[in-house]
Amino acid sequence: RKEVEQDPGPFNVPEGATVAFNCTYSNSASQSFFWYRQDCRKEPKLLMSVYSSGNEDGRFTAQLNRASQYISLLIRDSKLSDSATYLCAVTAPPSGNTPLVFGKGTRLSVIA
Amino acid sequence: GAGVSQSPSNKVTEKGKDVELRCDPISGHTALYWYRQRLGQGLEFLIYFQGNSAPDKSGLPSDRFSAERTGESVSTLTIQRTQQEDSAVYLCASSFGDNQPQHFGDGTRLSIL
Repeated sequence: RKEVEQDPGPFNVPEGATVAFNCTYSNSASQSFFWYRQDCRKEPKLLMSVYSSGNEDGRFTAQLNRASQYISLLIRDSKLSDSATYLCAVTAPPSGNTPLVFGKGTRLSVIA
Repeated sequence: GAGVSQSPSNKVTEKGKDVELRCDPISGHTALYWYRQRLGQGLEFLIYFQGNSAPDKSGLPSDRFSAERTGESVSTLTIQRTQQEDSAVYLCASSFGDNQPQHFGDGTRLSIL
């Protein structure tokens, strides 16, 4: 099982729709979780951290489910400008060679 | 500057040449990371530094790749005898420490002819 897995998509949704992505992780000891956004031919940018109690930032809601080992990102009232690839990042196993592992991303296209 | 700075932004070179990529992290960030991203692909982790030390270099693709960091600041990634397969965007990120969010530079787009 890969350390961090995401559905690559693409998710094609109309403007105004609500869309949710999940990211599963294999290391039950993971403590830190993040969502990043990457636009085409640009660098990843931190979207939000994911806290145990869940957190919200405007139209974006992030949640953590430790029992099932996944994090989620919910986007409400989708805008054309939300079109991007969304990457999750999770704390890596202590024996690994990097502190954080990134998923390969889920592509979102919001259509007018 | 406030963010991670990478140079050059673009580099085109002939196969077989050596290249050196530079990263200036955010001031005060102790951890620094290098990634490679091929077109349409995910991030490929290369190496990270905690201070000036790289705990594990096993992510480097081959012995043609090396990296160093000095003064707990600037880092350089060197690729010797470049091959066409090295063509990619090389991204640098920094953070306050392990398990903290990483902040990325704009990347260096490397093209090997």
